[in-house]
Amino acid sequence: KAGVTQTPRYLIKTRGQQVTLSCSPISGHRSVSWYQQTPGQGLQFLFEYFSETQRNKGNFPGRFSGRQFSNSRSEMNVSTLELGDSALYLCASSPRVDLNTEAFFGQGTRLTVV
Amino acid sequence: AQSVTQLGSHVSVSEGALVLLRCNYSSSVPPYLFWYVQYPNQGLQLLLKYTTGATLVKGINGFEAEFKKSETSFHLTKPSAHMSDAAEYFCAVKTSYDKVIFGPGTSLSVIP
Repeated sequence: KAGVTQTPRYLIKTRGQQVTLSCSPISGHRSVSWYQQTPGQGLQFLFEYFSETQRNKGNFPGRFSGRQFSNSRSEMNVSTLELGDSALYLCASSPRVDLNTEAFFGQGTRLTVV
Repeated sequence: AQSVTQLGSHVSVSEGALVLLRCNYSSSVPPYLFWYVQYPNQGLQLLLKYTTGATLVKGINGFEAEFKKSETSFHLTKPSAHMSDAAEYFCAVKTSYDKVIFGPGTSLSVIP
């Protein structure tokens, strides 16, 4: 079974631009979560989707948005990029939403804003 | 509010020595606890998890962790470090269906 696939792996954008990152979960997984990872802040939760509905959102500005499609694939969008948005963005999928189910992570998209 | 602390942002051990990575959590309800490992330029991979039942949990690559409720701890150990264990390790706690809290991570170096 294929793992979580994130595209692209690396991205360089200019301040003020917008970017869209894509995540294909493991087949059969309906929950997708996104995290931002930086050396200073560690892993920070962005949002979680289940069956095309956003179930939870972290403390990020409205420039960060996401969506999930009927096939469970998910995208996240960042508008008006800032230098501080440079980070590794990780997507994780889970088959269910329950307490003892772990998340399966993709390799991430490394975003550099210049 | 739930939180996770990992004592030591960086730990160095000699090859063959005991690995001990510390994790403490705060939670007002029984937690579900996880350890993940991250290799350079990779995503996170589950090492082991504690849900209910036996407090000593065995994971992949020879790692194990013990849940101690009285100490609110979930420390990760491995009897003998291998060079391939060099990575970043994250402890995580889950107390509600929609939120996972990750610790700040501990970078493990293995000295030959």
